Amino acid sequence: DAGVIQSPRHEVTEMGQEVTLRCKPISGHNSLFWYRQTMMRGLELLIYFNNNVPIDDSGMPEDRFSAKMPNASFSTLKIQPSEPRDSAVYFCASSVGTPHLEFFGPGTRLTVL
Amino acid sequence: KQEVTQIPAALSVPEGENLVLNCSFTDSAIYNLQWFRQDPGKGLTSLLLIQSSQREQTSGRLNASLDKSSGRSTLYIAASQPGDSATYLCAVSGGGADGLTFGKGTHLIIQP
Repeated sequence: DAGVIQSPRHEVTEMGQEVTLRCKPISGHNSLFWYRQTMMRGLELLIYFNNNVPIDDSGMPEDRFSAKMPNASFSTLKIQPSEPRDSAVYFCASSVGTPHLEFFGPGTRLTVL
Repeated sequence: KQEVTQIPAALSVPEGENLVLNCSFTDSAIYNLQWFRQDPGKGLTSLLLIQSSQREQTSGRLNASLDKSSGRSTLYIAASQPGDSATYLCAVSGGGADGLTFGKGTHLIIQP
């Protein structure tokens, strides 16, 4: 299995631009999670899906952030408009069944200038 | 709101030593606890998962314990090696698929 796949691996953009991060979970996994990692705040859960349905988006910092999961094999995290404080590493993870061991992707390093 | 604390924040020891990393959490109503390893600029690798009904898990030179009632977990690394140098993260789940709450990590350096 290829594991959780994220693209792009690196993204550099200018403030105000739209950014879309992509994630392909492990085949057969029915839960998907988006996390953000910064030096100041560490790793934080942004949103998670179960069977493609968003369950808890309380971690999404602002309305500029949105996430979708149109099918079991694809999810996006969009930031519009982006700001320099959004610069971070964004991780996607997936899991299935009990005990819900989460497998993490390699992350997308986002830099907003 | 669940909070996870890891002590120490950083640790440097000579090769061959046995060491203990600590993790504490404020809400004992957890579903499971995971220990991860993160190398610089890389993603997270799961090391051990302890379900709430378990007291410990072992994998090779690693042993993780869980005392849910006191809100504590420890990661024991035996006979440390330079390749063990990384950041170790503790994370807890409040429900089956509720996502994880992470500590800030312990940055470990093993001196050759």
